[in-house]
Amino acid sequence: TQLLEQSPQFLSIQEGENLTVYCNSSSVFSSLQWYRQEPGEGPVLLVTVVTGGEVKKLKRLTFQFGDARKDSSLHITAAQPGDTGLYLCAGGINAGGTSYGKLTFGQGTILTVHP
Amino acid sequence: KAGVTQTPRYLIKTRGQQVTLSCSPISGHRSVSWYQQTPGQGLQFLFEYFSETQRNKGNFPGRFSGRQFSNSRSEMNVSTLELGDSALYLCASSLVLQAYNSPLHFGNGTRLTVT
Repeated sequence: TQLLEQSPQFLSIQEGENLTVYCNSSSVFSSLQWYRQEPGEGPVLLVTVVTGGEVKKLKRLTFQFGDARKDSSLHITAAQPGDTGLYLCAGGINAGGTSYGKLTFGQGTILTVHP
Repeated sequence: KAGVTQTPRYLIKTRGQQVTLSCSPISGHRSVSWYQQTPGQGLQFLFEYFSETQRNKGNFPGRFSGRQFSNSRSEMNVSTLELGDSALYLCASSLVLQAYNSPLHFGNGTRLTVT
């Protein structure tokens, strides 16, 4: 069973600060997806990384997939109150040639950005 | 394009009762997955349906069941409700079976409270 551990569980910061959320596993994943969930809504996909060492940027958000494809990080620069939400990482396995297999989700990081 | 629609948004039930939740996927999406989300356990995979057949199943008791109709709409049923079943139930659709490199599109969930 592949497990994903996210840290920290909770993060409370002031507007303008930088932060990093980590997603770690002892297993190798074929991909890492990051989702953000706002209160009262379902998770929304932010990014998918599939190559070891890959870095993707989405405005003030930077996502990195570890070289060994066992970990990933999400860095937010100059956080804003609109970044508040639950951030979830999800690992996927390329099961042979079919690519089928359920995603494994981390427990999530609750981020609160105060004005 | 309409998103994933889940009904009802809120449900309050009593222990021992049963409940049916509904999910309409994005038009053209053939896979529907169900998740249970609680503060303590995070996002737990229940099952996935594709072409009216259950293709993947998580580690939940047999009280949790589902089905998918020919139009890809899905229902989830929980029988003999227990207090611990109180949770947000999320439905996610995708074009094909869950794959390591394809996104899940979530609905806004059904909040079930068991008293």
